[in-house]
Amino acid sequence: GENVEQHPSTLSVQEGDSAVIKCTYSDSASNYFPWYKQELGKRPQLIIDIRSNVGEKKDQRIAVTLNKTAKHFSLHITETQPEDSAVYFCAATMGGFQKLVFGTGTRLLVSP
Amino acid sequence: EADIYQTPRYLVIGTGKKITLECSQTMGHDKMYWYQQDPGMELHLIHYSYGVNSTEKGDLSSESTVSRIRTEHFPLTLESARPSHTSQYLCASGLAGADEQYFGPGTRLTVT
Repeated sequence: GENVEQHPSTLSVQEGDSAVIKCTYSDSASNYFPWYKQELGKRPQLIIDIRSNVGEKKDQRIAVTLNKTAKHFSLHITETQPEDSAVYFCAATMGGFQKLVFGTGTRLLVSP
Repeated sequence: EADIYQTPRYLVIGTGKKITLECSQTMGHDKMYWYQQDPGMELHLIHYSYGVNSTEKGDLSSESTVSRIRTEHFPLTLESARPSHTSQYLCASGLAGADEQYFGPGTRLTVT
């Protein structure tokens, strides 16, 4: 079926460390992979995305990598800060309408 | 300011009541979506729309209905609310031909 697996479910790091969140998708036709950050009580916010014709994309401290052969993609956050603490969701487009299927989320806690 | 608006933000109602959750966007987007999300958990697509007079059911079985009479407006209606409907409902929108989706602030519904 159409699904996206996300790991880990929780991640605790010290301020300044790097954090990596990994996702695997099931549909080889998927071609768009966004990452959302959701702070407590707030809406999900699109922080970075990647398309299937690109292997890596960076935006300041965050980067996303995509391995189409293995059908997995990862979010990398460097020099983490307490304000990075949130739940992060990966997603992938699936189906004829290109709907987004979301992963189960990773709760990131950055301790000062 | 271009944004996605949802009202009410919080709603507590009794079992059996009919309710409508409002979603409006001033983004100029054609595609609109409704997701259901339990706190901190993954997002499940319940309805989506390509444009005016277009509505489709998503992956998660839902007893709600939607309508799309105006481009900017995509209300969701529950004819008879039940405690199992207690959740957060997130509206999102995106441009036709684009993959990005942007979320509204959500409606947190509690059915007693």
